[in-house]
Amino acid sequence: SAVISQKPSRDICQRGTSLTIQCQVDSQVTMMFWYRQQPGQSLTLIATANQGSEATYESGFVIDKFPISRPNLTFSTLTVSNMSPEDSSIYLCSVALAGEQFFGPGTRLTVL
Amino acid sequence: GENVEQHPSTLSVQEGDSAVIKCTYSDSASNYFPWYKQELGKRPQLIIDIRSNVGEKKDQRIAVTLNKTAKHFSLHITETQPEDSAVYFCAASTTDSWGKFQFGAGTQVVVTP
Repeated sequence: SAVISQKPSRDICQRGTSLTIQCQVDSQVTMMFWYRQQPGQSLTLIATANQGSEATYESGFVIDKFPISRPNLTFSTLTVSNMSPEDSSIYLCSVALAGEQFFGPGTRLTVL
Repeated sequence: GENVEQHPSTLSVQEGDSAVIKCTYSDSASNYFPWYKQELGKRPQLIIDIRSNVGEKKDQRIAVTLNKTAKHFSLHITETQPEDSAVYFCAASTTDSWGKFQFGAGTQVVVTP
């Protein structure tokens, strides 16, 4: 299995500001994924982050709003830029390892 | 792209009864179908999965069935217990796009003693 940690676990931010979320995995993985879970909703894939290349974004998500870094095989960051209240969600990173998908504990973001 | 529909949105069952959640998918290329359980305030946890070369898979009180022709798959929980209360999500993916899941909307299961 994979042990995934995220920082921060939660934050309250003012609109117009940016927040960077960190994801650390205890194993080297080729692909890391960032999901968003809005209150009471399902999970939506934001982007796939491969080490050494640009992240691939899903429809409705753009790099200017959600820049991603993937400096090595165990770490990734997701930045939520120029936040608005609509960005209030739980952001989860995820990895695939040994045929199973694991999720991090999530970062609960509230934008005022 | 893939579209996954999940029903019902809420399910209330008496302890000891069975619960069934159904999902349909649209992309015939999808070949991997996991089910996740998410308790309040916690991360999703994989409870069972099925690949397209199998029609049914069972793990103790949990089973999943897959009908590729009809593009639907179902989660069956028998002898439900209060600790089964959670939100359950189905998902679909292809092994070519491992980790890129399209999730269903979720089913809130409440097991009453």
